[in-house]
Amino acid sequence: QQQVKQSPQSLIVQKGGISIINCAYENTAFDYFPWYQQFPGKGPALLIAIRPDVSEKKEGRFTISFNKSAKQFSLHIMDSQPGDSATYFCAASKEGETSGSRLTFGEGTQLTVNP
Amino acid sequence: SQTIHQWPATLVQPVGSPLSLECTVEGTSNPNLYWYRQAAGRGLQLLFYSVGIGQISSEVPQNLSASRPQDRQFILSSKKLLLSDSGFYLCAWRKGGGGYTFGSGTRLTVV
Repeated sequence: QQQVKQSPQSLIVQKGGISIINCAYENTAFDYFPWYQQFPGKGPALLIAIRPDVSEKKEGRFTISFNKSAKQFSLHIMDSQPGDSATYFCAASKEGETSGSRLTFGEGTQLTVNP
Repeated sequence: SQTIHQWPATLVQPVGSPLSLECTVEGTSNPNLYWYRQAAGRGLQLLFYSVGIGQISSEVPQNLSASRPQDRQFILSSKKLLLSDSGFYLCAWRKGGGGYTFGSGTRLTVV
């Protein structure tokens, strides 16, 4: 299975700071890169996603930066808030696969935002 | 709008007992369906996926099986649970482009 490597495993940020989570992928055929947010005891929820035809996508305080040549993408959370404390997963897939367009997930980053 | 239902929310089962977890999707047709397991609150491991009724693909050989008896119903089963089957089980659906929508999960503890 193609890997998606995510770092760091855990991150502690002060309220108002910037949280940055990085992911690297191997399969150059991947063309869809979502980020998921998961709170304890809940299923992951889609946060934001990007396709490789753009280098950046912003939705509110959340921004994805995408570097196709380096095969890396990152999530930036601006003005981090205690309510952002959760586990974040990056993922990647090749769209249109007849085998179900399976998402390959990173291992997750546990973000703690201190008040 | 589309919704996904997954039950039960929590389950405690003895070793060697059978298992049946059910997932249903409403508001869409012919979705791709997925079962994931998450251990220790981290790492999503794909167990099974289905692109249509009766079509099941297994990603990891193990003590579990899956079935899709209806278009929007996905069932995860085991004949005899092992301690190592404990975990957080998540069902998800996807149709066309875009990300998965996950259910709320089932916390399974095998004792």
